Amino acid sequence: ELKVEQNPLFLSMQEGKNYTIYCNYSTTSDRLYWYRQDPGKSLESLFVLLSNGAVKQEGRLMASLDTKARLSTLHITAAVHDLSATYFCAVDGYSGAGSYQLTFGKGTKLSVIP
Amino acid sequence: DARVTQTPRHKVTEMGQEVTMRCQPILGHNTVFWYRQTMMQGLELLAYFRNRAPLDDSGMPKDRFSAEMPDATLATLKIQPSEPRDSAVYFCASGWGQGFSNQPQHFGDGTRLSIL
Repeated sequence: ELKVEQNPLFLSMQEGKNYTIYCNYSTTSDRLYWYRQDPGKSLESLFVLLSNGAVKQEGRLMASLDTKARLSTLHITAAVHDLSATYFCAVDGYSGAGSYQLTFGKGTKLSVIP
Repeated sequence: DARVTQTPRHKVTEMGQEVTMRCQPILGHNTVFWYRQTMMQGLELLAYFRNRAPLDDSGMPKDRFSAEMPDATLATLKIQPSEPRDSAVYFCASGWGQGFSNQPQHFGDGTRLSIL
């Protein structure tokens, strides 16, 4: 069974600071997705990482994938309040129940404070 | 912008009642997914379809839940009878390709279900 673990689950950071969210997964996969969810809202796609060493950047967010370590990181640079949200990673892998599934981490709730 | 449309947005009903949630995927997408989100369990995949055929519903309680795609523009998720533990936000998402393709899934706004 594919397991996806994010840490930290809660992150409070000051504006202007840098931080990294980690996403570890348990089985071989070369597709990893990052999503953002604002309170009471839907999930918005941020990044799709498709190969080992993939790096994507959008504004103050940068995501990377190391398939050998089964690890993805979401790095936040010079945080601003608008980045406050919950961030999910999701991994495409064999579910163990006879099919491939997209398994989500528990999410990291980010609060950026002045 | 193309969007996944879910109805209703909110539903409050009493235990034992039938609940039907509907989803209109983005035109041209061939995969449809149903997820349930709760504080305790996070996001769980309930079922998914490709080209209207059910591929996996192992995440769904079979005795009370059913998912169908009567046509390419409509997916439904039914709960009968509903129970308080079914209270959650139910998301539909659609995508394109074989399995989980190189493109992300697009999520609807969700149905917020409360079973009293």
